[in-house]
Amino acid sequence: DGGITQSPKYLFRKEGQNVTLSCEQNLNHDAMYWYRQDPGQGLRLIYYSQIVNDFQKGDIAEGYSVSREKKESFPLTVTSAQKNPTAFYLCASRPTTGPNYGYTFGSGTRLTVV
Amino acid sequence: SQQGEEDPQALSIQEGENATMNCSYKTSINNLQWYRQNSGRGLVHLILIRSNEREKHSGRLRVTLDTSKKSSSLLITASRAADTASYFCATGSFNAGGTSYGKLTFGQGTILTVHP
Repeated sequence: DGGITQSPKYLFRKEGQNVTLSCEQNLNHDAMYWYRQDPGQGLRLIYYSQIVNDFQKGDIAEGYSVSREKKESFPLTVTSAQKNPTAFYLCASRPTTGPNYGYTFGSGTRLTVV
Repeated sequence: SQQGEEDPQALSIQEGENATMNCSYKTSINNLQWYRQNSGRGLVHLILIRSNEREKHSGRLRVTLDTSKKSSSLLITASRAADTASYFCATGSFNAGGTSYGKLTFGQGTILTVHP
């Protein structure tokens, strides 16, 4: 079955640590996105990529980094520079042919700083 | 900043009743989408309406779009307990060149509770 897989489902980070969240899709989608969701809030865009080896900052990119070496994969690193990383992280993808396509989302990674 | 704002923030109804959620936005869009999120899960795409469309149906869902008022509504008819979830509107906008670059801006959502 095609879809997006995020791992791990739960992640605990110590102060000062970098952690990487995995996002893999087998939908052959060109565009991929990372969003952050805080309790009771909507989604805020961290980074997005429309094509391999290219990505752009979203609205809240500080303290995060990404790479897009393969079409299927778009990992997100939460660095120690991100002062409040505890949140629910969602990865999504969509085909870029034409503007009117919805996103397909993964099931999310819940990150907690301990 | 949030482009879409949903209203109400929370809605509680009985099974069989209709549920209406509203969304307002600020800038020009090329489409508006509605998503559903069950607690602790990812979002599921429900329906997309283009800026040149006024109404769209999908099963028990009906979406309207009024670009002059920059608003949209999602109607769920004959609600079921399984419809309990958060519902988000998201707007897709143009880039400087006038084409869509696929970024969506999400509102804060409406929490719908349907009591059996």
